[in-house]
Amino acid sequence: GAGVSQTPSNKVTEKGKYVELRCDPISGHTALYWYRQSLGQGPEFLIYFQGTGAADDSGLPNDRFFAVRPEGSVSTLKIQRTERGDSAVYLCASSPRQDSYNEQFFGPGTRLTVL
Amino acid sequence: KNQVEQSPQPLIILEGKNCTLQCNYTVSPFSNLRWYKQDTGRGPVSLTIMTFSENTKSNGRYTATLDADTKQSSLHITASQLSDSASYICVVKDYGQNFVFGPGTRLSVLP
Repeated sequence: GAGVSQTPSNKVTEKGKYVELRCDPISGHTALYWYRQSLGQGPEFLIYFQGTGAADDSGLPNDRFFAVRPEGSVSTLKIQRTERGDSAVYLCASSPRQDSYNEQFFGPGTRLTVL
Repeated sequence: KNQVEQSPQPLIILEGKNCTLQCNYTVSPFSNLRWYKQDTGRGPVSLTIMTFSENTKSNGRYTATLDADTKQSSLHITASQLSDSASYICVVKDYGQNFVFGPGTRLSVLP
C-alpha cells in the first residue's frame, strides 16, 4: 500500500505489561513522528526521527516509553510497565525530507487499552 | 507557551449549510498552518497547508484563511455533506520540527 500503516490496530493489555506498537511509513519518507491522542483531544507529540536517529524525544512522558527506528524505515514504540493512563490512540506519521511544507501523512493509529 | 485554540466546540449543522471553524494560535516563530480532517477511528488527513504569505487557500468545498498578524485562521466549509462529519484539527508548525496541535472541532452534519 502507499500509505502509512500501523499494527496492531487495537491492543488490550493488563497494567504492568510490556507492549510494542509498530509503524510502517511511506517508502522513502525520512522523517517519522509518533503522537498520542486521548479521546476528544488533538494529537500530542511524543518523538520525531530523521532517518535512524531520534532528532527530538522531548515529548516522551517518562522513561517507560522508548522508540527505535534501526534501519530508517519501520519504527517501534515500546512501552514498559504499562499504566491505565497510557490508554490512548497512538498515531504515527511520516514526511518526505525534501518537502518544504513537511506535510505529514498519518497512519490509522493503534488504540491501546490498559486494563 | 505555544498554544493552538479552536472554536466552536462542538458544531452541529444541517446538510447543505455552510460553516466556519476558527483557530487562534500563539506559536512562534511561525512556519506554516495546516488544517486536518480526522474521521472517527482514522488518522488525520491534510486539507490545506498555508505559509506566512498565503491569505487564502481552497481545496474543493474547503477554504482556509490565514491572518498572520492577528494569528488567526478559519476553515470554511461550503454546502456541507454528511461525510463532512469529523473532527477538524488546526496545526501550527514552527521553523523546526515542532507541530502544535489544537484540540479539534467536532463537526456533525445532520440530514
